This record gives sequence, C-alpha cells and structure tokens, in this order.
Amino acid sequence: GAVVSQHPSWVICKSGTSVKIECRSLDFQATTMFWYRQFPKQSLMLMATSNEGSKATYEQGVEKDKFLINHASLTLSTLTVTSAHPEDSSFYICSARAGRENSPLHFGNGTRLTVT
Amino acid sequence: AQSVTQLGSHVSVSEGALVLLRCNYSSSVPPYLFWYVQYPNQGLQLLLKYTTGATLVKGINGFEAEFKKSETSFHLTKPSAHMSDAAEYFCAVSFPGGYNKLIFGAGTRLAVHP
Repeated sequence: GAVVSQHPSWVICKSGTSVKIECRSLDFQATTMFWYRQFPKQSLMLMATSNEGSKATYEQGVEKDKFLINHASLTLSTLTVTSAHPEDSSFYICSARAGRENSPLHFGNGTRLTVT
Repeated sequence: AQSVTQLGSHVSVSEGALVLLRCNYSSSVPPYLFWYVQYPNQGLQLLLKYTTGATLVKGINGFEAEFKKSETSFHLTKPSAHMSDAAEYFCAVSFPGGYNKLIFGAGTRLAVHP
C-alpha cells in the first residue's frame, strides 16, 4: 500500500534555531501533501496544503513565514519551523493523497518537536 | 460551514463488548467520510471510508460504519472489543472539490479493560 515516510520522528532543538521536517511518499507520486499540527490530546489542525511546484496554501492563523513549506518534487515536501520557540513544540504530521480526489489520505508517523 | 462532532471524548468498554463511537457531521453537500485510528506517538491509519455506494462500510480490524444521511451520522462499531483496539479514533470529512482537505473531529479515546 501507499507509504508516507516522515523524518525525523522526534527532534529537540534550542529556542531560536530552525528545524526541517521531511515528508516523502515512498511508492507513489503526491501532487498534494498536507501538514497538520496536533497538540496533546487534541485533534489535528490543518496548517497548510502543499502543492508540487507552487506555493503552499496556508490556513487562517498559520504564519507562513514561521512555517516554511517547500514541495520541490512529487515525492517530497518539507516543513521548516523557523526561529523555533517553546510554543512551537508539538506533534507535526504530514499526509499525502495517492490517486484520485476521493482516495484517502495516507499519513506519516509524525514528528514530535520539542523546543527548549 | 462543514464540521464534525464526535460525541464522547472518552469511551471505555470491556474486552468482548460492543464498541460504538459516534460521529455526526454538518454539511451542505454530500461528504466523503472517514474513520482513522491513532496509536500513541504515531500518525493516523485509515480504518474505513465512505464516498458513494453502499452505506454500510466495512474496514480493517473488524470495524464497520454506516452512513445515515437522514441523521447526518457515520458511527463506528465493532461487535467485540479487543485489548489492542485501545487507541484514539478520529472521524473526518472531506468534500468533492476539496482536494481531500480533511476536517477532523476532536477524537475519541477508546479504553478497553479486561
């Protein structure tokens, strides 16, 4: 089946540094990927929609300069958290669609970011 | 506006008992409906989905859900709970033309006790 690989699975960084999270579709091409953020014991909040070869579409309230998204190829999207602060600590999950519009999304295993 | 409501943030059942997790949606157009399961510190795994056709949908691990348009519901059931079913369950909707932009419910944590 369709596999989405997310790396790293966890990262600890110091306040003020930047962190890059990769999301790869391993056995299919994904023209569209989605980035979610999940706070402890809460649901997933869509941050942005990443389209290959074009600018990402951010949800209301998500700072595009803070959360840089690049979708350089049909199998890779990256999320960079710039100048991270402790409030950015969270679980970040990417997903990708394999196939047609009503095909389900496949999710990566998430990245737990802790900013100290 | 489209929304998803999951009744009950926590559900506890005995092993072998019926599992019922409730999901209601609000939408002005026919939705696509999904149930996902999440284990601790992991991403989401698709249990089942409804797009068109038969309203009773069977998924993995013995789960099934029925789309009831008149009740705007898509409740998840399993006849007999297993200890390994303990996890967080999310109901989600998307809409034709929405490019799979999923809207998630708040989630229901299922506990299974011996």
